[in-house]
Amino acid sequence: GQQVMQIPQYQHVQEGEDFTTYCNSSTTLSNIQWYKQRPGGHPVFLIQLVKSGEVKKQKRLTFQFGEAKKNSSLHITATQTTDVGTYFCAGPTGGYNKLIFGAGTRLAVHP
Amino acid sequence: DTGVSQNPRHKITKRGQNVTFRCDPISEHNRLYWYRQTLGQGPEFLTYFQNEAQLEKSRLLSDRFSAERPKGSFSTLEIQRTEQGDSAMYLCASSFAGVNYGYTFGSGTRLTVV
Repeated sequence: GQQVMQIPQYQHVQEGEDFTTYCNSSTTLSNIQWYKQRPGGHPVFLIQLVKSGEVKKQKRLTFQFGEAKKNSSLHITATQTTDVGTYFCAGPTGGYNKLIFGAGTRLAVHP
Repeated sequence: DTGVSQNPRHKITKRGQNVTFRCDPISEHNRLYWYRQTLGQGPEFLTYFQNEAQLEKSRLLSDRFSAERPKGSFSTLEIQRTEQGDSAMYLCASSFAGVNYGYTFGSGTRLTVV
């Protein structure tokens, strides 16, 4: 079945350093979504990418969708302690918007 | 509308007991999803509804699990004869129909089977 893989599983950075997480799908995706889950919280929708090669920015966060629509990345510039959490990518499977989630990348930021 | 609401927030039950969780989605959303999340993992798909119709149920879900969404509004997830392996966070999410909408998740129900 379809699989969505994320690397790294865990990363800790010093506040102010950059951070990148990568997402790879075993199949071509119609779109890819990113979610953030704070410790003890629930996943919160960040963004969706639809077009091949698409790049979107949200303040210090930059999201990219690969040309083949099988991979994506999230880059955070100058991390802050508020960026702490687990970042999940997810892609739809089947004829409906049923999402398959990756295992996530947990980000720790040391002040 | 205050978002997706799930009750209870926590549930501790003895092995072999039945439990039922409730989810109230965002009223404008016609898709409702149930996911399960264990520590260190991403949400795992269980089942989903469009309005009152259950569209798909994960093959990973045993016959002990059943979900309903009467009248296309709130949904319930029941687990019969609970096992320790059922301990997890059960997340509900809702969205508009179509492939280009993100999910809004509820805060989840944390189930502990002792």
